[in-house]
Amino acid sequence: GAGVSQSPSNKVTEKGKDVELRCDPISGHTALYWYRQSLGQGLEFLIYFQGNSAPDKSGLPSDRFSAERTGGSVSTLTIQRTQQEDSAVYLCASSLPQGTQNTIYFGEGSWLTVV
Amino acid sequence: GESVGLHLPTLSVQEGDNSIINCAYSNSASDYFIWYKQESGKGPQFIIDIRSNMDKRQGQRVTVLLNKTVKHLSLQIAATQPGDSAVYFCAEKRTGGYQKVTFGTGTKLQVIP
Repeated sequence: GAGVSQSPSNKVTEKGKDVELRCDPISGHTALYWYRQSLGQGLEFLIYFQGNSAPDKSGLPSDRFSAERTGGSVSTLTIQRTQQEDSAVYLCASSLPQGTQNTIYFGEGSWLTVV
Repeated sequence: GESVGLHLPTLSVQEGDNSIINCAYSNSASDYFIWYKQESGKGPQFIIDIRSNMDKRQGQRVTVLLNKTVKHLSLQIAATQPGDSAVYFCAEKRTGGYQKVTFGTGTKLQVIP
C-alpha cells in the first residue's frame, strides 16, 4: 500500500483479555518498528525487526508482550492478559533497509483501551 | 544513557510569527536527526531530517539547525499557521548497526489566531 497500515484503529477490551494488533508496512520496507504512546507522552520503543535478523525486543515492557513478523512483511503485536496500564496508542513504523534512506514512516496507530 | 529531550513542553505562538522548537541530545555518536509532527489522533509525520555532516537544512517554511558542539537541534517554522498546531518530536539515530530511533518527549505547539 501507499503507507503503513494498522488495524484495528480502535480497540476496547476487558482487563485480562488478549489482544492482537496488526501492522502492514510500506511495500519494500524491510525494517519494522513498534512504539507505544501513552496519552500526552512521547514514543516508547517496543520492538524492531530488520529483514531476517533476530528482532530487537529490548523495549518490550513485560513477557505479556510479544510480536512476530511473518514473511518479512506483516507484523502482529500481541498483548496477553491486558491490564489497564496497557491503554495507549500502539504505533507501527517501517523504513527501507540500512544504507538507504533512513527515514521511518508511521501508521496512524491502534488505540487500545483496557477497561 | 542515551537520551533525546526537549527544552520546552509547550510553546504558544501568534499566527504569522516564527516558531522555534528546541531539542537536546546526549549521544555524540548520533549521526542522523529527524523532526516529526503529530497532530491530534494521528501518527507522527516526517517533516525534515538532517545528517551530522550538515549544520542547516531548509524545507518549505521549515529549517532545521544542528549544533554538534553542544548537541542541540532546533526546528524553525516560518510564518506559523493554525495548521502547524501539533506536537513536534525530535529523534536521533545512529546509522551504524541497526536503525533504532530514539524520540524525545515532544513539544506541543499552540498557534494563537
